[in-house]
Amino acid sequence: DGGITQSPKYLFRKEGQNVTLSCEQNLNHDAMYWYRQDPGQGLRLIYYSQIVNDFQKGDIAEGYSVSREKKESFPLTVTSAQKNPTAFYLCATSAIPDFNTEAFFGQGTRLTVV
Amino acid sequence: AQKITQTQPGMFVQEKEAVTLDCTYDTSDPSYGLFWYKQPSSGEMIFLIYQGSYDQQNATEGRYSLNFQKARKSANLVISASQLGDSAMYFCAMREDSGGSNYKLTFGKGTLLTVNP
Repeated sequence: DGGITQSPKYLFRKEGQNVTLSCEQNLNHDAMYWYRQDPGQGLRLIYYSQIVNDFQKGDIAEGYSVSREKKESFPLTVTSAQKNPTAFYLCATSAIPDFNTEAFFGQGTRLTVV
Repeated sequence: AQKITQTQPGMFVQEKEAVTLDCTYDTSDPSYGLFWYKQPSSGEMIFLIYQGSYDQQNATEGRYSLNFQKARKSANLVISASQLGDSAMYFCAMREDSGGSNYKLTFGKGTLLTVNP
């Protein structure tokens, strides 16, 4: 099936630990994005990548890191430097990075740090 | 400043009636796209409808239509004949051309729509 796979769906981590969220796509899309969603805040952009081996910081990149070694994969690491990591994380892709192209989203990963 | 403003945190509508969800945006780019997404309680984001800044006609997709008023910078979503399954969060979003180098999608804070039987 074509689509975007985020895993795991639920993730629990202890405070101070780094954790990596997976995002894989088989849509052959060039652009990939990571968003964070908090209640009442809408979606905020963490990082995005328009091409393999290149990525840019979004609006709230502090405490996060990414890599784009393959077109299909864009993992997000939530580091211990992120002050409030508990949130719902959404990965998205676009066929091309263009202003008139919609983004498609994965099912999301709900991260809880205890 | 907010790029996308959704002023209705919550809306209620009776089943089979129409409802309008408001969205205003702020950009100085002549080229931009406006999108609406639906997020049910399960969390996935479902693309509903797109309106381009150069489109002369309002976009329509089934029961969804977009009331695009460019001069007022508004892009309201109209859902006709509401169904119980329309109960969800709705997000307005925008992509700007920004000189061809930055196509990030910026979201509003959303409107929670509840359809009553």
